[in-house]
Amino acid sequence: DAKTTQPPSMDCAEGRAANLPCNHSTISGNEYVYWYRQIHSQGPQYIIHGLKNNETNEMASLIITEDRKSSTLILPHATLRDTAVYYCIVRVGGDMRFGAGTRLTVKP
Amino acid sequence: DGGITQSPKYLFRKEGQNVTLSCEQNLNHDAMYWYRQDPGQGLRLIYYSQIVNDFQKGDIAEGYSVSREKKESFPLTVTSAQKNPTAFYLCASSIGFLTYEQYFGPGTRLTVT
Repeated sequence: DAKTTQPPSMDCAEGRAANLPCNHSTISGNEYVYWYRQIHSQGPQYIIHGLKNNETNEMASLIITEDRKSSTLILPHATLRDTAVYYCIVRVGGDMRFGAGTRLTVKP
Repeated sequence: DGGITQSPKYLFRKEGQNVTLSCEQNLNHDAMYWYRQDPGQGLRLIYYSQIVNDFQKGDIAEGYSVSREKKESFPLTVTSAQKNPTAFYLCASSIGFLTYEQYFGPGTRLTVT
């Protein structure tokens, strides 16, 4: 069973905010939400993670709904180098289950 | 400069040969992982190791073997028993096994003909 649902692809204009949604309606209380991205033919890169509260770091912001059934990754000012596949993962423990992710294309 | 290294970037082998993929980390991480990625797919877990001299099978361990004799190293052997070995192989490590982010190496693309 898939634990997360993401749209297969999204476009974003360069310089605008990219908002990537993720549905995780079956998340349990001790599972964290992680976001990674993978640029073509490279290893995935960790972006951010959170449990209940919204989180922000130098790369992105993570907004988790109050019921924790969905989240949004926000790239505040997308650049062409942000074009990648973005993975939303819910996990507890070491098992990191990567699905197909969302292919974000940032356009000039 | 800390990180995870995988070598080589590209590897070509003939069918029926075993091949070992290298993964080294200098992050002082206890846990290490091997994933396989096929074109257009997500990652699938092959093996993981929580600590030196210990490792566990992941979802698709058949046809693969690993060892963890040193904290820094977690080599993966793709044996001739693996039916479809051509894939992109990714190694990762994390501080610990529970709720810690994983850091990935650049990957090795293995082609078996």
